[in-house]
Amino acid sequence: QKEVEQNSGPLSVPEGAIASLNCTYSDRGSQSFFWYRQYSGKSPELIMFIYSNGDKEDGRFTAQLNKASQYVSLLIRDSQPSDSATYLCAVIPPQGAQKLVFGQGTRLTINP
Amino acid sequence: ETGVTQTPRHLVMGMTNKKSLKCEQHLGHNAMYWYKQSAKKPLELMFVYNFKEQTENNSVPSRFSPECPNSSHLFLHLHTLQPEDSALYLCASSPNGGHTNYGYTFGSGTRLTVV
Repeated sequence: QKEVEQNSGPLSVPEGAIASLNCTYSDRGSQSFFWYRQYSGKSPELIMFIYSNGDKEDGRFTAQLNKASQYVSLLIRDSQPSDSATYLCAVIPPQGAQKLVFGQGTRLTINP
Repeated sequence: ETGVTQTPRHLVMGMTNKKSLKCEQHLGHNAMYWYKQSAKKPLELMFVYNFKEQTENNSVPSRFSPECPNSSHLFLHLHTLQPEDSALYLCASSPNGGHTNYGYTFGSGTRLTVV
């Protein structure tokens, strides 16, 4: 089983709609969770992090964490074409506080 | 300069060549990392340096040799690579290698092609 799993997509969402990106992780003791955005040919950039169960909102972005289900998600409200990118979920596993383990990413396309 | 800077941006090398990738961070971070990103695969952690000491080698072949002379600079020395080593090599840094709760800051990467 992969440590961090994401649906690779592509996920197509119309402009103005809510984009929902999902991620599951295998290590139940994982503590910290991150969402990165990576435009084609560019490096990943951190957009959200979450440590506690529940929701965390930052502008149009909401991260949701459910540790019991080992599930973390990212919602993007009022999606814009500029949101089209690959979104990477990353987790700090319990045995390695010095490393981030990444999922393979979900490619998101926002259609005008 | 600010952030994490990687050079060169693109590199084409033959299988018998020796080359080096350079990473420099201007963020005052203590930990630095090398990651490999291949098409359709997750980012793969290669090496971790914390306060310029190597703390993780993720079973990387010896044809990749890291060097960290200080907390701001990180190198990846390459020799006798294989075509399957062609990938985007990303350097990253974080404030405190013991607790990466703040995530990483990535450099722009070096696109490596082995011919």
